[in-house]
Amino acid sequence: SQTIHQWPATLVQPVGSPLSLECTVEGTSNPNLYWYRQAAGRGLQLLFYSVGIGQISSEVPQNLSASRPQDRQFILSSKKLLLSDSGFYLCAWSQGNSPLHFGNGTRLTVT
Amino acid sequence: AQSVSQHNHHVILSEAASLELGCNYSYGGTVNLFWYVQYPGQHLQLLLKYFSGDPLVKGIKGFEAEFIKSKFSFNLRKPSVQWSDTAEYFCAVKDSGYSTLTFGKGTMLLVSP
Repeated sequence: SQTIHQWPATLVQPVGSPLSLECTVEGTSNPNLYWYRQAAGRGLQLLFYSVGIGQISSEVPQNLSASRPQDRQFILSSKKLLLSDSGFYLCAWSQGNSPLHFGNGTRLTVT
Repeated sequence: AQSVSQHNHHVILSEAASLELGCNYSYGGTVNLFWYVQYPGQHLQLLLKYFSGDPLVKGIKGFEAEFIKSKFSFNLRKPSVQWSDTAEYFCAVKDSGYSTLTFGKGTMLLVSP
């Protein structure tokens, strides 16, 4: 069966520091991969999605970037975090028309 | 671009009350529709989905949703809620042929025992 792993679960980082959140999927090949940010009262905002290795689409211009170095690995990064980057980040995968399957999320607090 | 509206940000019900959460989307073409639920402290889970066929969709835990194409709506219903239904509910829409899912802002449901 397919599983999705996202880490770390929580992270506290100072303003200006770099960020790397990692997400891996097991049990499937060539999945579509997604990074969402969830904010209270704002729902889920799609940040990036990828349909294949090295293929990244950005939905919202911001201080973040994403990379997909391997088929089942999706990384969310920033060179210098801003206070406004604080939030709950969710990785998800899907295949074809299947529903999205979400990871457990990472709570990021930028201080 | 697709947009999804959930009419209520917070809903408070007593146990055994009936539930209906509204969801409307903007795109007029072929869509796939979803309801996700996030219980306190847990990750998002799929509640039900509509791709085609019978517009009344049955999901887990007694939930159902009805797709009304003419109204661009996909409202979630449950005849009798339980305390354990306390959660945040998200409606989501995917344009057929596209990979991405657009979510509504969510509705926080609190069921009092």
